[in-house]
Amino acid sequence: DAGVTQSPTHLIKTRGQQVTLRCSPKSGHDTVSWYQQALGQGPQFIFQYYEEEERQRGNFPDRFSGHQFPNYSSELNVNALLLGDSALYLCASSPRWGVGQPQHFGDGTRLSIL
Amino acid sequence: KNQVEQSPQSLIILEGKNCTLQCNYTVSPFSNLRWYKQDTGRGPVSLTIMTFSENTKSNGRYTATLDADTKQSSLHITASQLSDSASYICVVSHASGGSYIPTFGRGTSLIVHP
Repeated sequence: DAGVTQSPTHLIKTRGQQVTLRCSPKSGHDTVSWYQQALGQGPQFIFQYYEEEERQRGNFPDRFSGHQFPNYSSELNVNALLLGDSALYLCASSPRWGVGQPQHFGDGTRLSIL
Repeated sequence: KNQVEQSPQSLIILEGKNCTLQCNYTVSPFSNLRWYKQDTGRGPVSLTIMTFSENTKSNGRYTATLDADTKQSSLHITASQLSDSASYICVVSHASGGSYIPTFGRGTSLIVHP
């Protein structure tokens, strides 16, 4: 049973560019959340997708957008990249009504902005 | 403002010793509290999850406690092993719009020496 998979594992971009990160949830999970984790910090909630719609959003600008596909996989898009966007981007999946169930995290995409 | 504070920031112990990590939160309304273990370069892995009515939960050598009145939690690690070296993150979720929004602490970095 594959867990949460993310691609790519590492990415290097320059300021002003755009990036797309991808996530496949754990089998049986239909809710996907994205997090940004700066070095030495805890993850910060970006947004959550369920039934192909953004359901909740953290304190991130509109440069951060996402999409969820009918197979529950998801993409995170970041436009007009800034140096401060350098971080580990984590995807987590969970069952929609599984309040007692933990989120399952992927190992993240390490994004470096030059 | 929802906040999760963890202490200590870092901890060094000898293999075989016990240790306790602390988590204080101001998240409201409280839904659940989770402890995660994050190895370097990997995504977080769930250790325990507790709801309002639970005050202790064990997972092998890991035991978490919750005092919902004082809004404090602790994670006790017994008979530490070298593989316990990792960051331990406390996450408190609140219910919002039919979903659950997590607030992450910055984590406690634990190093276990032989």
